[in-house]
Amino acid sequence: DVKVTQSSRYLVKRTGEKVFLECVQDMDHENMFWYRQDPGLGLRLIYFSYDVKMKEKGDIPEGYSVSREKKERFSLILESASTNQTSMYLCATGTSYNEQFFGPGTRLTVL
Amino acid sequence: GDSVTQMEGPVTLSEEAFLTINCTYTATGYPSLFWYVQYPGEGLQLLLKATKADDKGSNKGFEATYRKETTSFHLEKGSVQVSDSAVYFCALSRDTGRRALTFGSGTRLQVQP
Repeated sequence: DVKVTQSSRYLVKRTGEKVFLECVQDMDHENMFWYRQDPGLGLRLIYFSYDVKMKEKGDIPEGYSVSREKKERFSLILESASTNQTSMYLCATGTSYNEQFFGPGTRLTVL
Repeated sequence: GDSVTQMEGPVTLSEEAFLTINCTYTATGYPSLFWYVQYPGEGLQLLLKATKADDKGSNKGFEATYRKETTSFHLEKGSVQVSDSAVYFCALSRDTGRRALTFGSGTRLQVQP
């Protein structure tokens, strides 16, 4: 079974802090993704990566950056957290243009 | 651009009722279509998928048929259980270009005993 783990299930940060969300997968998939999930909006793509050190902006990249130094690890960085970044963050991994496998999510609250 | 439209919820049903959750899509090319399910407090799990027109995906009693003529992928189940209570997301993946999924807004299903 594909396993996708995220560093925290719940996280509380203060406005202006730098926040790191980490995702690790164990199936050697080339593609990794970060989404945020908000009620009524579904999942929206923040960034994705199709190879080590490669990244592509998704639909809502503003206020975020990413890092992929190793194939199995994809980090989402909030450079200066703001209250409107309070959300559920979901990491996913997959091959080619097929289905994706999701981690359990990190619920981030920015105060 | 690509988009997926789902019926708004919540959908509230009694146990053993018939379920339909509507999903329509807009996309160029020949996308693959998916239904994901999210149980409370968990991440998304793939429920079923279909990769070409007229394909039927099925799993755990759920079914959906890829209808290219109506650009639809409606989810159905003949007899729901309380354990089916969750949020259901319809999604598509294009066969070229960006590799990410495009999701609908999700439909919450509540099944009462």
